[in-house]
Amino acid sequence: DAKTTQPTSMDCAEGRAANLPCNHSTISGNEYVYWYRQIHSQGPQYIIHGLKNNETNEMASLIITEDRKSSTLILPHATLRDTAVYYCIVRARSGGSYIPTFGRGTSLIVHP
Amino acid sequence: DSGVTQTPKHLITATGQRVTLRCSPRSGDLSVYWYQQSLDQGLQFLIQYYNGEERAKGNILERFSAQQFPDLHSELNLSSLELGDSALYFCASSSGQGDIVDTEAFFGQGTRLTVV
Repeated sequence: DAKTTQPTSMDCAEGRAANLPCNHSTISGNEYVYWYRQIHSQGPQYIIHGLKNNETNEMASLIITEDRKSSTLILPHATLRDTAVYYCIVRARSGGSYIPTFGRGTSLIVHP
Repeated sequence: DSGVTQTPKHLITATGQRVTLRCSPRSGDLSVYWYQQSLDQGLQFLIQYYNGEERAKGNILERFSAQQFPDLHSELNLSSLELGDSALYFCASSSGQGDIVDTEAFFGQGTRLTVV
């Protein structure tokens, strides 16, 4: 099963783009990369996911390298409310199912 | 609002007791996942149900059990509670059954359990 590696923490100035990297070098060809965030003990919030093409939605953009071994989540104009722990995950096999499996994530602090 | 509802939001109970946590998934979602989050362990997968049947099991203690009812709501039962069971318990739901190319999961706001 693919595992992900993220920096423990990052910071970003309000109004600037926040670029959060993730390594998933063992990802297999049909595994999606998902991004979630968790704001201070609230439930994790789904942000975006992708397979191999870059994706964009109202929250963020996801850039996946051509070899699919890494990706970057981009928050184009970070606000103070984007301060959260960001998780890059792939599904890990458990029995007959593939389960969203969370690591420690990246703690992003957006400062004024 | 994710559409996933968890009750109660907070629960305080004594060691040795038994509690039941409830989760109502998003309308139309057939899968329910339960996670435990404590300070030192992060988000740990406990168990998944799909359309009433257990589909996957993670690091769930034998003192814990779960079920999913015909109306698709799920309950997590925690018994013989210990201090170390104090944690946030999250429920998530998705429309898929847990395939590798499955749909995204949406999380509730959690139940904070404190065992004293």
